[in-house]
Amino acid sequence: DAKTTQPPSMDCAEGRAANLPCNHSTISGNEYVYWYRQIHSQGPQYIIHGLKNNETNEMASLIITEDRKSSTLILPHATLRDTAVYYCIVRVASNTGKLIFGQGTTLQVKP
Amino acid sequence: DGGITQSPKYLFRKEGQNVTLSCEQNLNHDAMYWYRQDPGQGLRLIYYSQIVNDFQKGDIAEGYSVSREKKESFPLTVTSAQKNPTAFYLCASRPGTGDSGANVLTFGAGSRLTVL
Repeated sequence: DAKTTQPPSMDCAEGRAANLPCNHSTISGNEYVYWYRQIHSQGPQYIIHGLKNNETNEMASLIITEDRKSSTLILPHATLRDTAVYYCIVRVASNTGKLIFGQGTTLQVKP
Repeated sequence: DGGITQSPKYLFRKEGQNVTLSCEQNLNHDAMYWYRQDPGQGLRLIYYSQIVNDFQKGDIAEGYSVSREKKESFPLTVTSAQKNPTAFYLCASRPGTGDSGANVLTFGAGSRLTVL
């Protein structure tokens, strides 16, 4: 599985868009980009995933660059409840379902 | 509501004792996983099971054991052989073993084990 690089921490003002970057320069053609988040002392929560195209759901948008070497998770209107650790994971959609979680980005949404 | 139930939420254990963490899911998922999380760290895979009566070691299986006798249950035993068992333990499941990017993990709320 490709390795990912994320900034350790970011701040965002409440009501503004939060843009969380992820670098995955060694990604291969059949590897998906997944985003999960973990609110303090809870289990991680799936947010969104994509392969090549940009994706949007009720929680967030995922922008993947054309060369697929980086991506950005966008929370369009951040709230205090979005304060969490955000994990970017790249892997093949394999049978094992194993995910490798790095240290992620701690997003602090401030009033 | 469907989901994953982990118990107990908090557990204290004396050194040298085995302890079993429960994980039950009513999502009808085939695959189940156990992860360990240490403070300020990401998650590390302990064991996983893709089907009843079968399981595989993850990256840090030493000192742990599991069983998968029923589809909905995947208990984890932390044995006395685990040198640093104090951690946050997370159970997860996913629908099946299909080769689909949409086959994502659902996590439980976690069990926090402290060894005294």
